[in-house]
Amino acid sequence: EIVLTQSPGTLSLSPVERATVSCRASQSVSRSYLAWYQQKAGQAPRLLIYGASTRATGIPDRFSGSGSGTDFSLTISRPQPEDSAVYYCQQYGSSPITFGQGTRLEIK
Amino acid sequence: QVQLVESGGDAVQPGRSLRLSCAASAFSFSTFAMHWVRQAPGKGLEWVAGVSYNGGNTYFADSVKGRFFISRDNSKNTLYLHMNSLTVEDTAVYYCARGPGISGYFDYWGQGTLVTVSS
Repeated sequence: EIVLTQSPGTLSLSPVERATVSCRASQSVSRSYLAWYQQKAGQAPRLLIYGASTRATGIPDRFSGSGSGTDFSLTISRPQPEDSAVYYCQQYGSSPITFGQGTRLEIK
Repeated sequence: QVQLVESGGDAVQPGRSLRLSCAASAFSFSTFAMHWVRQAPGKGLEWVAGVSYNGGNTYFADSVKGRFFISRDNSKNTLYLHMNSLTVEDTAVYYCARGPGISGYFDYWGQGTLVTVSS
């Protein structure tokens, strides 16, 4: 199974800074089949990015994804207070589907 | 608006069984793969099981293989998770999620139903 390791574990930023979350896979993710989700407290996860870099419907363009192979990243430019949440990466190129352990983002 | 509503979560003793349901609406249920994803209290996300659009193919995480079964009734737009031989490690919020494929990302999620396994 592919193990996804996210870093950092927690990120605390001001709205003028850019937030970058890293997701490293234990082996190459086939066809860049990597997704990112946002989960706010008490809510279900929400799809942000799929295919490593394609924004899901209705996702603001301040969210962007990049990467291939074993290294992927989620970038939030000009983060807003409402972006405070836990972010997860997920690979779906190999069975079983696996998730990273999550990165908590706090916007001060 | 796509809607997924889970039900059936409960507090049960170890070794017991439980069936979760997920009622889908506002999309063509019979053309999408469906999945269950769980989240233990204070923990991350864990994919549990998936079923193809017609129910012909099912997939399970090793942690539940042989104990959990996934099924769907396309005439009722409903997804099920049959959970047997429950253990305390199965305690979690269980989400149903829609996938564009049997192995894919999840574009819509329900709000989840809580399963608590405790003696």
